[in-house]
Amino acid sequence: LAKTTQPISMDSYEGQEVNITCSHNNIATNDYITWYQQFPSQGPRFIIQGYKTKVTNEVASLFIPADRKSSTLSLPRVSLSDTAVYYCLVGGALRTGANNLFFGTGTRLTVIP
Amino acid sequence: GAVVSQHPSWVICKSGTSVKIECRSLDFQATTMFWYRQFPKQSLMLMATSNEGSKATYEQGVEKDKFLINHASLTLSTLTVTSAHPEDSSFYICSAPLGTSYEQYFGPGTRLTVT
Repeated sequence: LAKTTQPISMDSYEGQEVNITCSHNNIATNDYITWYQQFPSQGPRFIIQGYKTKVTNEVASLFIPADRKSSTLSLPRVSLSDTAVYYCLVGGALRTGANNLFFGTGTRLTVIP
Repeated sequence: GAVVSQHPSWVICKSGTSVKIECRSLDFQATTMFWYRQFPKQSLMLMATSNEGSKATYEQGVEKDKFLINHASLTLSTLTVTSAHPEDSSFYICSAPLGTSYEQYFGPGTRLTVT
């Protein structure tokens, strides 16, 4: 039972910054927010994880407002190879029944030349 | 980073036969692993949680007698699709958390085609 909401799809031109927002109104105090990327016929790949404010790594940035009811994955200067489905999951420790085991629809990002 | 492998990467079998899919954590131990199924253009659907040394926990609607899960060691979980039918054709993906982390590391997936 995924408790996240994302846009179904987005298009962007190469070189632009892309921001994908995920709503998680019922996030719990102990929940973390994790984003995955999936290419066709491959397993998802971990992108970034955060709890609050801003997290940045070599691939993306994650912005989380103070109320934590949403989060935004930011991909700087996308390229064609960033075309993929992006999933946002929220939850605490991974265990049977944990919310972060249930994938929502994800956002299909298409990068246009 | 943590690496999870799956074998085979693809398999074609005849209806009525059984197929075993292996999931291995290559550079870490995983007392828990997760099995997902993904149909074309759809999201991942959790099938079951595999627990080392104990029975798997299946999600509602997943037949435990059809999808047999064995987690015999700290690095290996297997999913056996018994008496496979064409509707079982799908992309099967396993994952494992690293220690007490909150993120999952996924295998590359296994494409099963039942003819």
